Amino acid sequence: GQNIDQPTEMTATEGAIVQINCTYQTSGFNGLFWYQQHAGEAPTFLSYNVLDGLEEKGRFSSFLSRSKGYSYLLLKELQMKDSASYLCAPMSPYNQGGKLIFGQGTELSVKP
Amino acid sequence: DGGITQSPKYLFRKEGQNVTLSCEQNLNHDAMYWYRQDPGQGLRLIYYSQIVNDFQKGDIAEGYSVSREKKESFPLTVTSAQKNPTAFYLCASETLDGQPQHFGDGTRLSIL
Repeated sequence: GQNIDQPTEMTATEGAIVQINCTYQTSGFNGLFWYQQHAGEAPTFLSYNVLDGLEEKGRFSSFLSRSKGYSYLLLKELQMKDSASYLCAPMSPYNQGGKLIFGQGTELSVKP
Repeated sequence: DGGITQSPKYLFRKEGQNVTLSCEQNLNHDAMYWYRQDPGQGLRLIYYSQIVNDFQKGDIAEGYSVSREKKESFPLTVTSAQKNPTAFYLCASETLDGQPQHFGDGTRLSIL
């Protein structure tokens, strides 16, 4: 089967660092995406990892360990506008449809 | 500007009625996807299409139908067989080469 596990909610303070973990079990794997989704809006792309290691993009970094079925999203210098849901989404190989399998998302609240 | 356009933004359905949600993209993307999102939940795949005139069922296809007569268009019909259609519907597209999926702004469907 396919299973994505993320914490449901997290709270952090403005200016701090927060790490959102994601573990996954999928029948095939072709990379993992992180999306940000503000309430009532469409998801927007944050990062993509296909090989093991850390990808850094400004205040956001994402890490992948394929052998452990594990990824995390690291947000630095948190701002109030970072309050949103963060979706972890492994992708199946293209010969299996190239589908994204979304977790339920982690609702992050940033407090002053 | 290139992008994905979903219409309408809000849609109301009467009991026993079929409704069609529009999704158009001018990004020249090969693949298109329809997702359903319920409050506090992740995205669940309804249908997807990787080429014109071909589409595949996702995880929750029952009560829905699609067509892909043109590369740019992937309309979703919510039929009367879908007993709980109230949700946020998101359309996405991608190039099938490792680039992220791009999402439309979504259609919120409610039952009258």
